Amino acid sequence: IAGITQAPTSQILAAGRRMTLRCTQDMRHNAMYWYRQDLGLGLRLIHYSNTAGTTGKGEVPDGYSVSRANTDDFPLTLASAVPSQTSVYFCASSPRWDTGELFFGEGSRLTVL
Amino acid sequence: TQLLEQSPQFLSIQEGENLTVYCNSSSVFSSLQWYRQEPGEGPVLLVTVVTGGEVKKLKRLTFQFGDARKDSSLHITAAQPGDTGLYLCAGEPTGANNLFFGTGTRLTVIP
Repeated sequence: IAGITQAPTSQILAAGRRMTLRCTQDMRHNAMYWYRQDLGLGLRLIHYSNTAGTTGKGEVPDGYSVSRANTDDFPLTLASAVPSQTSVYFCASSPRWDTGELFFGEGSRLTVL
Repeated sequence: TQLLEQSPQFLSIQEGENLTVYCNSSSVFSSLQWYRQEPGEGPVLLVTVVTGGEVKKLKRLTFQFGDARKDSSLHITAAQPGDTGLYLCAGEPTGANNLFFGTGTRLTVIP
């Protein structure tokens, strides 16, 4: 089934460890996004990429980095995880950066101890 | 401070009742979207409204965009247990390139 695949589905991580959340889409969408979802705060944008080779910062970028080497993949890296990064992370894509529907993956639940 | 505030945050109603969920902001939006999210899944788009005053209907769901494009509402008629989920509004402020999400309304419809 076409769409967005995120991995891992769930992970428990010790503080200070490095972690990469993977995101792959097969819809050939130009734009991709990483959101975190926390109770009472809704979805907040971490980083985005309007097209392969470009990235930008969202609302809450600190402590996270991304890369967009090709159209399909958009990994999110936590260089040194902290407990406040405990959250559910969603990757999303859109055909174009300036309009249209966001298609979401099923999320990656990350717990930092 | 959230750009988009939704109310109520939680709503529990009996099957067959009507309900309205609100999404408010002090900012003007070029468009506004409504998503529904079920447990363990990502949000799924329900509708996009782009014109001030616009009303869109999706079966028992009616979406309205405020005349000033600062707010929106979702009205559900004769709610069913299948309507249970987290409803999120999302908007792109005029001049911005990114979509901002509201705080969400968690709806439970009791059979």
